Amino acid sequence: DVKVTQSSRYLVKRTGEKVFLECVQDMDHENMFWYRQDPGLGLRLIYFSYDVKMKEKGDIPEGYSVSREKKERFSLILESASTNQTSMYLCASNKGPTDTQYFGPGTRLTVL
Amino acid sequence: GQQVMQIPQYQHVQEGEDFTTYCNSSTTLSNIQWYKQRPGGHPVFLIQLVKSGEVKKQKRLTFQFGEAKKNSSLHITATQTTDVGTYFCAGNDYKLSFGAGTTVTVRA
Repeated sequence: DVKVTQSSRYLVKRTGEKVFLECVQDMDHENMFWYRQDPGLGLRLIYFSYDVKMKEKGDIPEGYSVSREKKERFSLILESASTNQTSMYLCASNKGPTDTQYFGPGTRLTVL
Repeated sequence: GQQVMQIPQYQHVQEGEDFTTYCNSSTTLSNIQWYKQRPGGHPVFLIQLVKSGEVKKQKRLTFQFGEAKKNSSLHITATQTTDVGTYFCAGNDYKLSFGAGTTVTVRA
């Protein structure tokens, strides 16, 4: 079974803090994705990566950066957290660009 | 850019009734995927449609891809409480774009 894990299920941070969200997949997938999920807006793509050290902006990259130093690990970084970044963050991975995406359990981030 | 619209946003269904959720894309899609997210869970892949006019069934769920490959539908027959959750379509053009989802609640 494909397994995608995320470092925290719940996280509470203060405005201005630097936040790291980690995602690890164990299926040797090339592609990894970070989404945020907000009520009524569905899943919006923040960044994705199709190879180690490669990254592409998604639809809403502002305020975020990413890092992929190893194939199995994709990190989302909030350089200076703001209250409008309070959301559910979902990581996903897949083998090929049109393949099924496998999602992690999500991290619910609250920025106070 | 590619946009995927999904309606309705909410669907309140009496147990045993049928309902349909619709997905429309602004561009022609190479394929479309459907996912289900249970309350408190994460999206889980249900099915992928690739061919124009394709129809696939999974028990009480029927998925259809439009002839022009710009729209899709999910029809659930005889809704059960296990069908509760949010159903997302995701259109594949050069990347996967998710609709906003249809959140389904069931009245017993």
